Amino acid sequence: GAVVSQHPSWVICKSGTSVKIECRSLDFQATTMFWYRQFPKQSLMLMATSNEGSKATYEQGVEKDKFLINHASLTLSTLTVTSAHPEDSSFYICSATSEGGFNEKLFFGSGTQLSVL
Amino acid sequence: AQKITQTQPGMFVQEKEAVTLDCTYDTSDQSYGLFWYKQPSSGEMIFLIYQGSYDEQNATEGRYSLNFQKARKSANLVISASQLGDSAMYFCAMRAVRHNTGKLIFGQGTTLQVKP
Repeated sequence: GAVVSQHPSWVICKSGTSVKIECRSLDFQATTMFWYRQFPKQSLMLMATSNEGSKATYEQGVEKDKFLINHASLTLSTLTVTSAHPEDSSFYICSATSEGGFNEKLFFGSGTQLSVL
Repeated sequence: AQKITQTQPGMFVQEKEAVTLDCTYDTSDQSYGLFWYKQPSSGEMIFLIYQGSYDEQNATEGRYSLNFQKARKSANLVISASQLGDSAMYFCAMRAVRHNTGKLIFGQGTTLQVKP
């Protein structure tokens, strides 16, 4: 099956620094990538949808300037948490698809656990 | 608005027995897909099974089957012959296109614990 690679798996950073998370589709062209955030034992909350070559579409309540998303190519999307604070600590997971149809499943990265000290 | 509801925060099942995880959904789209994913403690999201809104037969994938009742808007996951490795969090999700730009919306999740 299709593979989505996400790096890093975990990251610890100091408050005020920025952290970049990469999401790569290894064997298919991902026209659309989705970024989710998950708190312990809770559901995945969609943060934004990114399409290659265009600006990301953010969900209501997600700060665009805090969570910068770039989808520069058909195989790479990045999420940058800018000026991270302890409340940004969470599990972030990306997913990708090559199709926009409702019957196309999404492939997920392995997630990134962010801890902000 | 699209919505997925999982009303069972936690479930227990005895090893080798079957278990049903509930999922109801709400959408105004005629075309949509319903998915179940498994999330073990490692965090990865593992695709289990898919049911399309136009599929007349219930989907099956090995020990997993989806009990699709369109009129009731339910898509329950049935796991047969539970194994210890089935202990994980399970998410029901829906993907529609016309009103939802193809994004996958998740339910709250159900934590399943399989007892030896």
